[in-house]
Amino acid sequence: LAKTTQPISMDSYEGQEVNITCSHNNIATNDYITWYQQFPSQGPRFIIQGYKTKVTNEVASLFIPADRKSSTLSLPRVSLSDTAVYYCLVGDTNNDMRFGAGTRLTVKP
Amino acid sequence: GAGVSQSPSNKVTEKGKDVELRCDPISGHTALYWYRQRLGQGLEFLIYFQGNSAPDKSGLPSDRFSAERTGESVSTLTIQRTQQEDSAVYLCASSLEGTEVVELFFGEGSRLTVL
Repeated sequence: LAKTTQPISMDSYEGQEVNITCSHNNIATNDYITWYQQFPSQGPRFIIQGYKTKVTNEVASLFIPADRKSSTLSLPRVSLSDTAVYYCLVGDTNNDMRFGAGTRLTVKP
Repeated sequence: GAGVSQSPSNKVTEKGKDVELRCDPISGHTALYWYRQRLGQGLEFLIYFQGNSAPDKSGLPSDRFSAERTGESVSTLTIQRTQQEDSAVYLCASSLEGTEVVELFFGEGSRLTVL
């Protein structure tokens, strides 16, 4: 199973763009990259998933370089409510999903 | 129900007692996962069920932990002879496999406190 490495924490300010990078050097051919968001006392919530290049939805963008050994979650114009822990997962659709330690994002006013 | 349901939401028990935690997945979801989350830490994978296949138990921390699932319905996580280090939030998630995007839907968790 591909192991992921993320920064433990990040700080930002309201209105800024935040980019969180995840390293997954041993990603397998069939593996997808998925990001989740977790607020205190809640279960994680799906944000975005991709396989290669760029994926964008209403809340975030996911950038994946050609070698797929890393990925970057981009949150445009963050607000205080984006303060949460963000997890990067790598796995295929028929495998278990193992979470890393996540990145604790703190958005300041 | 519309989402993943877990019970109890909170459980306080004494060291050495057995506990059972229940998870009702979203109807029709073939995959079910259990995770453990200690205070301030990430999610620790415990076990994964997929349809009628043998479960992946590789994350269970000891033989005191076991889980069952009947078909594609309810799952029960059992912890025998609880220890204080078992105190954590136990999260269950389900997903509908075979789709282009695999999304895990989590319950609110069961908070276990072992005194």
